[in-house]
Amino acid sequence: DTGVSQDPRHKITKRGQNVTFRCDPISEHNRLYWYRQTLGQGPEFLTYFQNEAQLEKSRLLSDRFSAERPKGSFSTLEIQRTEQGDSAMYLCASSRRGQSYGYTFGSGTRLTVV
Amino acid sequence: TQLLEQSPQFLSIQEGENLTVYCNSSSVFSSLQWYRQEPGEGPVLLVTVVTGGEVKKLKRLTFQFGDARKDSSLHITAAQPGDTGLYLCAGGRSGGGADGLTFGKGTHLIIQP
Repeated sequence: DTGVSQDPRHKITKRGQNVTFRCDPISEHNRLYWYRQTLGQGPEFLTYFQNEAQLEKSRLLSDRFSAERPKGSFSTLEIQRTEQGDSAMYLCASSRRGQSYGYTFGSGTRLTVV
Repeated sequence: TQLLEQSPQFLSIQEGENLTVYCNSSSVFSSLQWYRQEPGEGPVLLVTVVTGGEVKKLKRLTFQFGDARKDSSLHITAAQPGDTGLYLCAGGRSGGGADGLTFGKGTHLIIQP
């Protein structure tokens, strides 16, 4: 059990560019979640997958955001045409049995849009 | 929209003191979790409570879920500098396939030696 891995840890991009983040969950966890955390706030739910199926998307996930989990293992989160308001920590978490049993979070990807 | 209010937002105390932080909502949650987060890292799960009135202890930390499952508290006895961090509560939604957590803004705790 190597925990939840996120790559990259930090990303600086120019406004208007596309960025993609990767998350590798704990191998036996079938549920994977993406959250966004801005300074002074708690994490905000973006979306979650059970295996390869994306079962829920938050209203925060605008049409510039897309998430995939093609084989039910790793997941990617892409942001197109980045805006300064997208600057945040993007957190990935995984779980074996859902919210009531707690999540294991990765260390996050810190995105700065300049 | 389900909201969780945490209080206090900031707390700085001396090593050895006791403290309680609170997590309140007008909504009922299926579960309530507490996480601790350090700068530049993801949150780390401390405890999950699912039954109204439930009390769980983790060494010097005591967690309580309100009878109506709308609120929770975290009590730390004899705080130590290693307890410093951002404490987040998170409520679980239920029904309709929902599986995301709603987080509060957190309590920033500093324990001074």
